Order: sequence, then structure tokens, then C-alpha cells
Amino acid sequence: QQQVKQSPQSLIVQKGGISIINCAYENTAFDYFPWYQQFPGKGPALLIAIRPDVSEKKEGRFTISFNKSAKQFSLHIMDSQPGDSATYFCAASPRGGWGKLQFGAGTQVVVTP
Amino acid sequence: EAGVVQSPRYKIIEKKQPVAFWCNPISGHNTLYWYLQNLGQGPELLIRYENEEAVDDSQLPKDRFSAERLKGVDSTLKIQPAELGDSAVYLCASSVTGGAGTDTQYFGPGTRLTVL
Repeated sequence: QQQVKQSPQSLIVQKGGISIINCAYENTAFDYFPWYQQFPGKGPALLIAIRPDVSEKKEGRFTISFNKSAKQFSLHIMDSQPGDSATYFCAASPRGGWGKLQFGAGTQVVVTP
Repeated sequence: EAGVVQSPRYKIIEKKQPVAFWCNPISGHNTLYWYLQNLGQGPELLIRYENEEAVDDSQLPKDRFSAERLKGVDSTLKIQPAELGDSAVYLCASSVTGGAGTDTQYFGPGTRLTVL
């Protein structure tokens, strides 16, 4: 049973466009929500993370939006670049990030020139 | 700073053969993880070590999988015997547990296993 559900499975966006990836969870014990970026042949790398005490966190072109009541969070990639083409995974963990990470199934993002 | 090192990067074996994967975590990282990543899926935790102790191995199929981290540094994950369904990428990650902030995990490049 997947504890974090991620959508879409894939998306294609033009350079300069906005990529939006959504995740939903059920376990109310989750209180740490990171996003990982994975390039082919590489391991996942932490991109940005949020805790439920804030509704939004921005780092450069990457923004996480968090809706605690809906138990949903999303990643927005602004001004998408070809170098952003990768697979993105949302994840969730209890105990402030010290618990077991549960990953979503991933979203393959392709940014066309 | 060197990242998480894994070897081999690729391994092809026939079913019923044994296979072993090795991981060297980032220097100073006391926590080590082994994950399984199937094609098109997110990583799934197999086992987590804090120093030499396996603190979470609930998802490790113990009939055929084993792992060790004898000196609290590098680790080996073994499968014996391998089955066709074991074909996947095996990822190792490490982190510093007990410090300030969150348990940020740093992943290695993985070992892609193909069982024929």
C-alpha cells in the first residue's frame, strides 16, 4: 500500500513554463515532506523540503505548496529549463524527518527547448 | 567531499546465483540505508543501520537477503539465491542522525541488478 500518492506519472513542459507535481498522503503522523530529484543513472538528491507549520517554501525556481487540511503538497518548478528534465519524487516522514521516508512513485519531467 | 560510493554499478547474474553489493557512506555519517528501487517506482527501504545496529529491517526479505555493517562504516547487502523478481536498482544512502536539523539522506548512484 503506497502511503504517498503522486501525480502525474509524467509531464512535458516547454522551456520557460511551469511544471506542477502533486502528492497526497493519509498518515497524519507525517510531518516532514521532502522532494527529491533523480537523473538517469544517479541516486535521488534532496531538492527542497517543508514542514507542516508553513504553507509554502521557495528556493530559487522551486516552490513547495502545502495544504495540511487536505493532506496534499505540491512542487512547482518555475521557468522550467531543459536541465530540469529528471524524475521527481515526493516523500513523507514522521518524527520531523527522523522517521522512515515513504516515497511517491515519481514523476518524469521533460522540458522541451 | 566524496559522496556515497557503491559497487558494482551494474551486475548481471543468472537466477539462483548469489550476489553482493557494497556501499561506503559519506565520511562521518553514522546512519546507512539500503533501498530497493523498481523501474518507475520510488525507493523502498530495505534496512536502516545506526552505527553497527540494524534499527529497521522490517522490509528486508530475510529468507534470501542479508546485510551487514560490521564496523559501523561500509556495508554489504547480499542476495542468495537471486530470483528474477530481484532485478532492480539497489540504492545506498547515508545521513547523520542525532545532529541538528532533519535526517537528510544522501544517496549513492545505485547498483543495477539484472537477474536472467
